[in-house]
Amino acid sequence: ETGVTQTPRHLVMGMTNKKSLKCEQHLGHNAMYWYKQSAKKPLELMFVYSLEERVENNSVPSRFSPECPNSSHLFLHLHTLQPEDSALYLCASSQTTFHEQYFGPGTRLTVT
Amino acid sequence: GQNIDQPTEMTATEGAIVQINCTYQTSGFNGLFWYQQHAGEAPTFLSYNVLDGLEEKGRFSSFLSRSKGYSYLLLKELQMKDSASYLCAVRVNILTGGGNKLTFGTGTQLKVEL
Repeated sequence: ETGVTQTPRHLVMGMTNKKSLKCEQHLGHNAMYWYKQSAKKPLELMFVYSLEERVENNSVPSRFSPECPNSSHLFLHLHTLQPEDSALYLCASSQTTFHEQYFGPGTRLTVT
Repeated sequence: GQNIDQPTEMTATEGAIVQINCTYQTSGFNGLFWYQQHAGEAPTFLSYNVLDGLEEKGRFSSFLSRSKGYSYLLLKELQMKDSASYLCAVRVNILTGGGNKLTFGTGTQLKVEL
């Protein structure tokens, strides 16, 4: 499999649930990102990882917890979310943070 | 902070040329990207400018003027499949952690008609 993959593609969870989103890149890149995309809003950067080290946390609430165990994998752990957290969550990777980013297909998250 | 403006919607005719503008005010600027996003799909990279001038890539060209904080994406010989959202993104330095990050505009929804 090539490119950037994300699982699951769709997720419905209650506010008390704990779930995780997974991203995997097969491009040999050293930087990975989490974005949130809501209707009528700009694509919103959440976290940046470079060489498995988090270099940016864009004022994201602690109910979102990222994890980067190696340069190919990125997780977003979710707990006690709110309905306004419902959105499309996109993962991306790039050779370095200086290069163009390649996006995964996203996880459509609905919080009930 | 960062501020990126682009028109919300544009309509153009198949076979025509369309120009999508993007203006930005930002600190730590070091490049500008254009992405295309079809409905329900991930954004895909189109073009990149770091120096002033025009970059041409097939039917797509992008222009940058750093002194004016201005860029445009030019699409020639429009096809129906070009109907999509076009996202302008500014690359800036990450001050604390090192490296760079992208800040996106809200996107311009382009509709190509017969």
